[in-house]
Amino acid sequence: DTGVSQDPRHKITKRGQNVTFRCDPISEHNRLYWYRQTLGQGPEFLTYFQNEAQLEKSRLLSDRFSAERPKGSFSTLEIQRTEQGDSAMYLCASSGGYIQYFGAGTRLSVL
Amino acid sequence: QKEVEQNSGPLSVPEGAIASLNCTYSDRVSQSFFWYRQYSGKSPELIMSIYSNGDKEDGRFTAQLNKASQYVSLLIRDSQPSDSATYLCAVMMNYGGSQGNLIFGKGTKLSVKP
Repeated sequence: DTGVSQDPRHKITKRGQNVTFRCDPISEHNRLYWYRQTLGQGPEFLTYFQNEAQLEKSRLLSDRFSAERPKGSFSTLEIQRTEQGDSAMYLCASSGGYIQYFGAGTRLSVL
Repeated sequence: QKEVEQNSGPLSVPEGAIASLNCTYSDRVSQSFFWYRQYSGKSPELIMSIYSNGDKEDGRFTAQLNKASQYVSLLIRDSQPSDSATYLCAVMMNYGGSQGNLIFGKGTKLSVKP
């Protein structure tokens, strides 16, 4: 198994554009988490899934943010109408128990 | 608002010394605690997990948990320059007994000088 995979690794976009990130968890893990990390801060929780069910989404930063995990495998995080304040590292993690394993992240730069 | 507090540092120690990293948390019902290491520009990597009061040792790393004081620490013995990184303390949220998301501190930046 190759661990948690995130794509793309880097994304540069213009303000107002929509972006979508993908996360492929470790294959046997049923829980998948999205976090955002800005410079000098720890990761900030956004949302998580158990299988295909989104169990917590109140921490999504605004209604411009949405996430899906349609078949309980990979997940996507979409940001609509991006703003400069959305520039950050977006981290995905998966777990089958207590330990969460992180992917390499997608670094978003909004110009 | 549940919080995890860490001294942001930087903490500077000479090579071979013991580095001591501290963390406090606000939620008394928290049961699961983690230390992650994060190199600059990289993602967090798990170093230690601890669930019971007391010490847990793994190689050069020792995690200490005191639930009464709501305090978690990480000791790194025989510190090496390769240990230079940001160390993130994380507390797991629980939803009805099921594991939930992690709440992270801001991290402590450790610098080990040769």
